[in-house]
Amino acid sequence: AQKVTQAQTEISVVEKEDVTLDCVYETRDTTYYLFWYKQPPSGELVFLIRRNSFDEQNEISGRYSWNFQKSTSSFNFTITASQVVDSAVYFCALSGINAGNMLTFGGGTRLMVKP
Amino acid sequence: DVKVTQSSRYLVKRTGEKVFLECVQDMDHENMFWYRQDPGLGLRLIYFSYDVKMKEKGDIPEGYSVSREKKERFSLILESASTNQTSMYLCASSPTAGTLTYEQYFGPGTRLTVT
Repeated sequence: AQKVTQAQTEISVVEKEDVTLDCVYETRDTTYYLFWYKQPPSGELVFLIRRNSFDEQNEISGRYSWNFQKSTSSFNFTITASQVVDSAVYFCALSGINAGNMLTFGGGTRLMVKP
Repeated sequence: DVKVTQSSRYLVKRTGEKVFLECVQDMDHENMFWYRQDPGLGLRLIYFSYDVKMKEKGDIPEGYSVSREKKERFSLILESASTNQTSMYLCASSPTAGTLTYEQYFGPGTRLTVT
């Protein structure tokens, strides 16, 4: 069975603060994929990143960075110098090699960035 | 760009009605998915299709059925709508490449209210 836990249900920050969204996962598969999606108020989920279990290098894309730590089964997402447009619900998701392309999503973290 | 469209953004139906939610993708993807999204529960998979006329149950298939007669179209059917099916319904598609799991592309969602 697969499980994704996003313990933070809501986070509120002031613009320009850095914020980290936590994601902890469980899987029995040795090969798996991890994802982050953003859901802005318009409702459509936007793909942000996909990582496979063999690539533990951290990744940076502009103000976004991801920290993958296999030892703690975590795939955390950090937004540097947050902006009001970052306000959204963020979902972490997992797909094990035996899951047949199916994703298991966490409960989501609602991020509110205040001006 | 991948485009996934859903037939309605908002829908109001009465208890006991038969409801059809339609989803169309234009990228020739093999896989298509239906999820429902409820606060605090994240996205839960209802049904998945990996080819025309093929379907697999997800985590919460009870009360739903699906149809995939053409590759680009995946329909979700509520045979007899009930109030506990009031939710946001999201359709997604993704390509297939061996055992690799690719990101899913989502439609804008249909907010269904059953009264």
